[in-house]
Amino acid sequence: DTGVSQDPRHKITKRGQNVTFRCDPISEHNRLYWYRQTLGQGPEFLTYFQNEAQLEKSRLLSDRFSAERPKGSFSTLEIQRTEQGDSAMYLCASSFGLAGDTQYFGPGTRLTVL
Amino acid sequence: AQSVTQLGSHVSVSEGALVLLRCNYSSSVPPYLFWYVQYPNQGLQLLLKYTSAATLVKGINGFEAEFKKSETSFHLTKPSAHMSDAAEYFCAVSDKYGGSQGNLIFGKGTKLSVKP
Repeated sequence: DTGVSQDPRHKITKRGQNVTFRCDPISEHNRLYWYRQTLGQGPEFLTYFQNEAQLEKSRLLSDRFSAERPKGSFSTLEIQRTEQGDSAMYLCASSFGLAGDTQYFGPGTRLTVL
Repeated sequence: AQSVTQLGSHVSVSEGALVLLRCNYSSSVPPYLFWYVQYPNQGLQLLLKYTSAATLVKGINGFEAEFKKSETSFHLTKPSAHMSDAAEYFCAVSDKYGGSQGNLIFGKGTKLSVKP
């Protein structure tokens, strides 16, 4: 079990630029979640995938955000035209997908928008 | 809608003292409840979870939590704090029946400091 990995760990960008983050879940996990965590807050749900299907998106996920999970393996989260308010830690988690299953979190990608 | 309230954004204890971190939840359906720990610049690690079996749940690193339905609480305790317990702790709730996509609703977190 290699755990959930995320790349990059840190990203600094200028306002208006596009950024893309990658998440590699635990290999046998069907479900993959994205969360956002801002300073002093708990993680907030953004979206989740069941295999390759994106089944739900939070209203926090504006149309500048897009996520994919091709072939039900790794996932990418892209933010277009970044804004300073997008600065946060982006966390990925995976699980088997049954209610109450433990979600295993990656180390996160910290985004700073200048 | 489900929600979690963690009382106390900062808790400070002396090494060897009891740790008590408070969590109250709101849920219209039977919940699953979780405690996660986060060390600086790291992701979240599961400490323990309640899934409707025993109401007293034991987790890693000597932590335990008790589910009290009448009080809608799931407080986290550890009899004797260690310096390595200094971290931020998050309580979370999930819908038992898989609604809300099964995603976790987190509290704002409690930062635990341990004094030597």
